[in-house]
Amino acid sequence: GQNIDQPTEMTATEGAIVQINCTYQTSGFNGLFWYQQHAGEAPTFLSYNVLDGLEEKGRFSSFLSRSKGYSYLLLKELQMKDSASYLCAALNDYKLSFGAGTTVTVRA
Amino acid sequence: GAGVSQSPSNKVTEKGKDVELRCDPISGHTALYWYRQSLGQGLEFLIYFQGNSAPDKSGLPSDRFSAERTGGSVSTLTIQRTQQEDSAVYLCASSLGGGGTKNIQYFGAGTRLSVL
Repeated sequence: GQNIDQPTEMTATEGAIVQINCTYQTSGFNGLFWYQQHAGEAPTFLSYNVLDGLEEKGRFSSFLSRSKGYSYLLLKELQMKDSASYLCAALNDYKLSFGAGTTVTVRA
Repeated sequence: GAGVSQSPSNKVTEKGKDVELRCDPISGHTALYWYRQSLGQGLEFLIYFQGNSAPDKSGLPSDRFSAERTGGSVSTLTIQRTQQEDSAVYLCASSLGGGGTKNIQYFGAGTRLSVL
């Protein structure tokens, strides 16, 4: 099975940077996903890492270390609209196993 | 449609009643998934379809839960004799299926089920 751990909550100031860490333990691994979910809405795809290293996409970047079972999502130049839950998910074949999500609150 | 569509968006039912939840995936997506999201918990995998077949039903919590998919498109999740612990948001996702970025799952907004 899969064991996905991420912090429950994080708070940051508008314009700042926040890093959300995720560790996973898996019997098989095909990649690591990050999703953003605003309250009452669908999770939306942010990033997909298969190989080790950093993937940058605008203000959001995602990092993966397969040997350490570790990933992080980096949010730069935070905006109020970034207040949401961020879900880490590990892919095993076709099945995604999700962490409980990290609620990020951006303060003015 | 442009995205994954689920209906109804909200459903309130009485304990013991049956409910049907519908998912309309993105056109051309062969893989379809159902998840359950309870307050403060991660998404819980329920079932996976490839085409009309369900090779993995391992996440269905009990035999009161069943799902089908017809025409390689619309899927229905049925919960019989609902219980209060079934109250949750039921999310559907679809993907192209296959390796690499074809694994990216796109989610619907979910059905919020409340069992009184």
